[in-house]
Amino acid sequence: DTAVSQTPKYLVTQMGNDKSIKCEQNLGHDTMYWYKQDSKKFLKIMFSYNNKELIINETVPNRFSPKSPDKAHLNLHINSLELGDSAVYFCASSRGDSPLHFGNGTRLTVT
Amino acid sequence: AQSVTQLDSQVPVFEEAPVELRCNYSSSVSVYLFWYVQYPNQGLQLLLKYLSGSTLVESINGFEAEFNKSQTSFHLRKPSVHISDTAEYFCAVSDTGFQKLVFGTGTRLLVSP
Repeated sequence: DTAVSQTPKYLVTQMGNDKSIKCEQNLGHDTMYWYKQDSKKFLKIMFSYNNKELIINETVPNRFSPKSPDKAHLNLHINSLELGDSAVYFCASSRGDSPLHFGNGTRLTVT
Repeated sequence: AQSVTQLDSQVPVFEEAPVELRCNYSSSVSVYLFWYVQYPNQGLQLLLKYLSGSTLVESINGFEAEFNKSQTSFHLRKPSVHISDTAEYFCAVSDTGFQKLVFGTGTRLLVSP
């Protein structure tokens, strides 16, 4: 069973569209994250939720809105997509002070 | 603010040869240090970590890293690499445990026969 699963795996869309990426973890973790990996492989945290509450919110355009309906899910909604949003988005989860478990990523391509 | 520098974007090596992947960090406070590995089309997996105690930490698949505070380094080494070690390796630093990691730009290890 996949521990941290993201859907879709690939997402190709046009500028200006709105899209969502879903993430689910079945590890019983209480903290979930979104990371962005750009074309140069640079990986940076975007958001972190603990028990459905936002605890880390880096400098991210407000077009990006995370939503956590419960502890096992953290979805990422992106409005008015721009070319610069093209990247691989990774979801991750952890419990307490334990290592992060990453999903396999969603490759977003904005044309 | 913390930062991580991985000077080598790519390291080619022959199978069974030793390898060292370099990582330097900057931080004004005590840090936790990590190495993550990313295989093609997969997420990152924790390879090893330094939190406290012994400065030499080891992974189950033969990698080791040594925390050197004076040189602010956490280089990753393996005495004999396998083809299956081909992957992207990321060094990361945090001053708050696992919660907020700052990653380096990664080093691609290419192992050839």
